[in-house]
Amino acid sequence: DAGVIQSPRHEVTEMGQEVTLRCKPISGHNSLFWYRQTMMRGLELLIYFNNNVPIDDSGMPEDRFSAKMPNASFSTLKIQPSEPRDSAVYFCASDRGGLSYGYTFGSGTRLTVV
Amino acid sequence: GESVGLHLPTLSVQEGDNSIINCAYSNSASDYFIWYKQESGKGPQFIIDIRSNMDKRQGQRVTVLLNKTVKHLSLQIAATQPGDSAVYFCAEKAAGNKLTFGGGTRVLVKP
Repeated sequence: DAGVIQSPRHEVTEMGQEVTLRCKPISGHNSLFWYRQTMMRGLELLIYFNNNVPIDDSGMPEDRFSAKMPNASFSTLKIQPSEPRDSAVYFCASDRGGLSYGYTFGSGTRLTVV
Repeated sequence: GESVGLHLPTLSVQEGDNSIINCAYSNSASDYFIWYKQESGKGPQFIIDIRSNMDKRQGQRVTVLLNKTVKHLSLQIAATQPGDSAVYFCAEKAAGNKLTFGGGTRVLVKP
C-alpha cells in the first residue's frame, strides 16, 4: 500500500496565482480530509468528504478555497487567488470511516505564497 | 511537513527515561481518541488509540490512559529513545467521523 499520496511536495507561487493541491487516498478508504497546519493555528480541518460527497466545509477559510472529489481515488484543493497568508503545510488524510479508526495522513504539500 | 513550531509546550527527557505527555480534550461526547506522532518533514503518524469504554491501552513501549471524568488523556512512552523526538498530538472523534486535534507537545530526547 503506497499510503496517501499528495502532490506537489512543495509549491512556491506568487500572490494572485491559482494553486491546485492534489491527493490520492488509500484504496478502499471512503473518507477524505483536507487539513492545514500553521505555527499559529496548528492543525485545522478545512473540509471532508464521505463517499466523494462533501460533508463539512465549515473550516474552509473563504470563497477563495474550493475542494473537489470527482471520484474515490482523487481529490483537489484549489486556492484562487492565493495570498501570502495561505502559506502553510496542507495535509490530506483518508480513513475507512466509522468511529474506531484513525486517519492516515499524506506527507503534505508545503505552500509558500510570495 | 513542518510541525507546529516555536510556541509548542516542550518536554525534555533523558534518553532511557519514561515520558508522559498530557492532553485535555473538550468534547464529552467524544468516543474515540488517538495519539499521533509528527516528525519533521512528515505527516502525523498514528501511534495508539483508545475507545471511551476503556481507561487504559498498551502498545509497544507506549501506554494511553483515559480519564473521562476530567476529560484527560495521556501518553506514556517507556525507555524514551532519540527516535521518539517529535511533536505529539492527541485527537478526539465524536459522531460524524471528524477528528479534532490538540495543539501538540514537542518531545526532545537528550542523549
